Amino acid sequence: AQSVAQPEDQVNVAEGNPLTVKCTYSVSGNPYLFWYVQYPNRGLQFLLKYITGDNLVKGSYGFEAEFNKSQTSFHLKKPSALVSDSALYFCAVRDLAGGYQKVTFGTGTKLQVIP
Amino acid sequence: DAGVTQSPTHLIKTRGQQVTLRCSPKSGHDTVSWYQQALGQGPQFIFQYYEEEERQRGNFPDRFSGHQFPNYSSELNVNALLLGDSALYLCASSLSAGGLIQPQHFGDGTRLSIL
Repeated sequence: AQSVAQPEDQVNVAEGNPLTVKCTYSVSGNPYLFWYVQYPNRGLQFLLKYITGDNLVKGSYGFEAEFNKSQTSFHLKKPSALVSDSALYFCAVRDLAGGYQKVTFGTGTKLQVIP
Repeated sequence: DAGVTQSPTHLIKTRGQQVTLRCSPKSGHDTVSWYQQALGQGPQFIFQYYEEEERQRGNFPDRFSGHQFPNYSSELNVNALLLGDSALYLCASSLSAGGLIQPQHFGDGTRLSIL
């Protein structure tokens, strides 16, 4: 069964500093990995995805993620954090289960950017 | 281009009642998935509809049922409501032809509170 782990409930970072939000995954086949962001009382917004190819994926709002197959990780990064980046971040993996798409989300990491 | 729309935004019910939540997918999308997001948790997959049929189901009891209409919109029905059903219910749409590589687009959800 596929699974996603986000080991940190909360990450605090000073504005202007680089940020990393961690994610590890387990899937039987090829991983299709996604990052979403959720602001209070809103749905999830797509940030970026890894399908194949370059291990460094660039996404929306200056975010990027690094895929590491040997460590089964897909960490979200940003070179310089903004206060407006404060939100809840979810890692997700998609796989085929019984012939149909199945999406599994992590438990989320709250990012707090301190001015 | 309208995104995913959900109604109502908020709903208060009492134990034992029944509720119907509605979702209109993003224009051009034909697949709708429903998720339950409890406070402080990641979204949990309830089920997915495609071609007006339930294609896959998560670990939810039969009290949770759904429907997809010819225009691809969808309803989520929950019978015999329990206090534990209090959550944010998210609808996500995608295009089946896009396969696993396509991200899902989420609505802002319906906040269901059970008293």
